[in-house]
Amino acid sequence: GAGVSQSPSNKVTEKGKDVELRCDPISGHTALYWYRQSLGQGLEFLIYFQGNSAPDKSGLPSDRFSAERTGGSVSTLTIQRTQQEDSAVYLCASSPARGANEKLFFGSGTQLSVL
Amino acid sequence: DAKTTQPNSMESNEEEPVHLPCNHSTISGTDYIHWYRQLPSQGPEYVIHGLTSNVNNRMASLAIAEDRKSSTLILHRATLRDAAVYYCTEKSGAGSYQLTFGKGTKLSVIP
Repeated sequence: GAGVSQSPSNKVTEKGKDVELRCDPISGHTALYWYRQSLGQGLEFLIYFQGNSAPDKSGLPSDRFSAERTGGSVSTLTIQRTQQEDSAVYLCASSPARGANEKLFFGSGTQLSVL
Repeated sequence: DAKTTQPNSMESNEEEPVHLPCNHSTISGTDYIHWYRQLPSQGPEYVIHGLTSNVNNRMASLAIAEDRKSSTLILHRATLRDAAVYYCTEKSGAGSYQLTFGKGTKLSVIP
């Protein structure tokens, strides 16, 4: 079956523009995560969705960042008024259910470059 | 902030076993230890996870210290395809069950 799909794979934008990044999780997976990976760094947690529960937004770095998950499936991460420090790979992951015993399945990420 | 500590890099000869260490001295009783690896230009890939007992799967083995403050990922015979960054992470047993990543260990495999 299909894995986690992210689009676009690459996005180049100008400073100050808004961008939307899309994630299609594995069908039936109820948990969805967004992470950010800056060059040469580890992964930074951004936001978590679980079913119909309120998302955990504790990792969002500023109010320019927001995310939605419609119908418990597709998710969109929006960055408003992009800054150069937003340049990074944005990774989405999904998991069959919540729980510490559940493994995550990652997409290949969206490489965002802010000029 | 990352809760795990790993060496920045390690080298192994092809066909030799590799032991990748990780310290997680502040792990709580309900947190699982997960290992992922990341090949260049790809998202992380699940390797193995465990809570208290040692674990084996087709990819690797995970040895967890009795006090759970450290663990070791064991690749029994390194191949060139195993060259990657290996992340030791904790998966919270409460809240959002998020994975907390450090910078990982870059494993180089020498032919």
